[in-house]
Amino acid sequence: QLVESGGGLVQPGGSLRLSCEASGFTLSSYEMNWVRQAPGKGLEWVSYVGRSGSPTYYADSLKGRFSISRDNAKNSLYLQMNSLRAEDTAVYFCARETTGTNSCDFWGQGTLVTVSS
Amino acid sequence: SYELTQPPSVSVSPGQTASITCSGDNLGEKFTCWYQQKPGQSPVLVIYQDVKRPSGIPERFFGYSSGNTATLTISGTQAMDEADYYCQAWDSRTKSTVFGTGTKVTVL
Repeated sequence: QLVESGGGLVQPGGSLRLSCEASGFTLSSYEMNWVRQAPGKGLEWVSYVGRSGSPTYYADSLKGRFSISRDNAKNSLYLQMNSLRAEDTAVYFCARETTGTNSCDFWGQGTLVTVSS
Repeated sequence: SYELTQPPSVSVSPGQTASITCSGDNLGEKFTCWYQQKPGQSPVLVIYQDVKRPSGIPERFFGYSSGNTATLTISGTQAMDEADYYCQAWDSRTKSTVFGTGTKVTVL
């Protein structure tokens, strides 16, 4: 199971930290991603982190504002989001990736982030 | 940036075959996967590495890729297959994952 938390309403320019807690499997065995979906829109990849915390990759449009990290001892994945904009409003999913497959075989239910004044 | 293009919608009669295309430069040189997403739910992986089905995915889901196009076919389409479908690939040049624009499959 993957359970996201930390979403909510935040003002433009604000910050938010999302968490994703894994259970039923060992997080350190998997690469992890964050993917978002704006209301009524398609899927947009946000960020990737390797099994040990590196490498990390980001969508070009987000570089410098978002930071992905993980704590394998706590079986948890994080996304620090800064300088939030209205266009960051979306459901944020964490998704598990098996090494070598370049695909996400298990997803959380998502957490909604709303950026509005 | 790398882009993947899908038709916005596909309609199919129950029991017939639905085909969804995903186009991108030299897509056949990358692994493509496909996700099914029903309203209010998280995406579900239905095809990975172009042609492989995860455990639990019905055999009526079939994928293949060649040249600039990957295709997901659903044979013997059922009402439960009505959903949005997204292709996805990893672009090693930009170190980024790219999703297709999405296709809404309607079972009439």
